[in-house]
Order: sequence, then C-alpha cells, then structure tokens
Amino acid sequence: SSVLTQPPSVSVAPGKTANITCGGNNFGRKSVHWYQQKPGQAPVLVIYYNSDRPSGIPERLSGSKSGNTATLTISRVEAGDEADYYCQVWDTSADHWVFGGGTKLTVL
Amino acid sequence: EVQLVESGGGLVKAGGSLRLSCAASGFTFSTYSMGWVRQAPGKGLEWVSYITGSPTFVYYADSVEGRFSISRDNAKKSLFLQMNSLRAEDTAVYYCASSPAGFNYFDHWGQGTLVTVSS
Repeated sequence: SSVLTQPPSVSVAPGKTANITCGGNNFGRKSVHWYQQKPGQAPVLVIYYNSDRPSGIPERLSGSKSGNTATLTISRVEAGDEADYYCQVWDTSADHWVFGGGTKLTVL
Repeated sequence: EVQLVESGGGLVKAGGSLRLSCAASGFTFSTYSMGWVRQAPGKGLEWVSYITGSPTFVYYADSVEGRFSISRDNAKKSLFLQMNSLRAEDTAVYYCASSPAGFNYFDHWGQGTLVTVSS
C-alpha cells in the first residue's frame, strides 16, 4: 500500500518561497492532492491532480510532481499561509485514500 | 454555497456505539461521492470511509473495517457513519467531506464533530 512521507515542519521568512515535499513509495501515475488546515479549522483543498488550483486559491500556491516526489510551492509567503499542509493520493491497489503525515509551515 | 454539517458526536464508553450524520446542501448530493476523515487530537488526517453515489460502493480503512458502516440517504441529502465497538484510539474529530464523482479528492469539508471514547 502507499505511504506518503512529508517533512514535519518547514520554516520560511515572509516574502520568500516555501517548498513542501511529499514522497511516495509507489507514485507511478497516481495524482497528488494537497490540503491546507489552519488551527481550529477544517481542511481546505488547495491543489488537485498534482497542479490544478480550485477557484479562490491564490496563484501563489502551485503544485508539481516528478517521479516519486510531489511538491507544494508557496511563493511570496504571507503570515496567513501559516498552517498544516497534507498531501493525499488514492491507492488504487487497496481502494484506500492515503494522507501524508502533514507539514507544519511556520512563517518566521 | 456548499455546506456540510456534521452531528452526533459525543462521549461514549469503549465498546459502545455512536452514529454520526452529515447534512449536505448547496450541491447535487446524489451525484457526489462522500467520505469521512478523522483527526485525533494533535495528530494528522486519517481517511476512515468512502461511499460512491450511484451505483453505491463502499470502502473502509483497515483500522475500522468490520466496526464502522457508512451509508447515505440521497433523498434527505445525508451521510451517515455507524460506529460500533468503539475504542479509545477512535477518539478524534470526524469530518464529512464531498468528492466529485469519478475524482479522488475531497473538494469540500464540514467543520467536524468530536467523538471521545473513554476507556
């Protein structure tokens, strides 16, 4: 079954770029989706199918995938971007949804 | 506006049962797949269960297989999660989430309902 590995934390200064990675043991052709969760709030979809943005999500947030690593990139980081970020895939071999362990983004 | 509102959470003793509900509005409920995702205190997201629209297929995480049962009532635009044989490790906030049919991401989430299982 799929296992998704994320760094527990990433720190970045305001105005800089944050890269949050998600490593999969069997990404293959799987698509990766990303969610943002601010303290005390429900998760929000920010990237789907590796790089698509739902309406209302700023262009500063972008996604990419290469080989067994997917990356969520947040450009010109703002204080309001401070949150936990989770990657997710659908594991077709097990018919299971899989979430990464989450990455806490801290804006310095 | 899409709205998902969970209810039914609370405090229950280990071995007990609880039924969660999720009331949906603002979209064509019957055409969407739906799921439950939980988050233990201070922990990450864990997928629990998923149900397609029509035809109906259901899927469960290994950790709840055989104890939890997901169902839906399209006429009432409602999603349910029957939780039996509850354990302390089931303590979490349970989120209801929607997924466009044929896609494998959750596009909208409820605010969650807290389930606490005392040992």
